[in-house]
Amino acid sequence: EPEVTQTPSHQVTQMGQEVILRCVPISNHLYFYWYRQILGQKVEFLVSFYNNEISEKSEIFDDQFSVERPDGSNFTLKIRSTKLEDSAMYFCASSEVGTGAGSPLHFGNGTRLTVT
Amino acid sequence: LAKTTQPISMDSYEGQEVNITCSHNNIATNDYITWYQQFPSQGPRFIIQGYKTKVTNEVASLFIPADRKSSTLSLPRVSLSDTAVYYCLVKRGQGRRALTFGSGTRLQVQP
Repeated sequence: EPEVTQTPSHQVTQMGQEVILRCVPISNHLYFYWYRQILGQKVEFLVSFYNNEISEKSEIFDDQFSVERPDGSNFTLKIRSTKLEDSAMYFCASSEVGTGAGSPLHFGNGTRLTVT
Repeated sequence: LAKTTQPISMDSYEGQEVNITCSHNNIATNDYITWYQQFPSQGPRFIIQGYKTKVTNEVASLFIPADRKSSTLSLPRVSLSDTAVYYCLVKRGQGRRALTFGSGTRLQVQP
């Protein structure tokens, strides 16, 4: 079964540094998402992306964050000037079409970001 | 989107049937009910989705009464590997609104 793959599985960075989290969505999927989960808390929506532009974003997704689909396979989340509170598990997801009926999200296994 | 309410946690034993009920009193006509499962340190995984009545797949059954104000996820004969967090979500049948996860139900299966 096709999978969403995320790299790296664990990223450690110092406060103030920039990180790029990478994702390869399932190949025929058209919608891409980033979620995050702070340890012990809910899975929080960050952003959705379709047709090379942001479709929806949450209040968490401020100017510190950006997303890009640099080629036909990768989908990246860039976090600038990281803060301690950015430490979380970041999940990439994709869906074949929009989240209307019949199009579940397929999640990767996440990148654990630790900001020190 | 309709707010969902589900138990914070449940305990069960191997071999038992587990039913997790979710209430969504303000569900709209175009909304679907969808359930995800999450193991520790993994991303959520889609289990089942339905609009009304009963849906069954190889993993679970989903029961939705006529008024659609609640739904019940049924896991037959659970095993230790079913220990996970289960999320009930309501999603719009059209459009691109992202899924919003609540706190879920933490199911602990004991031997």
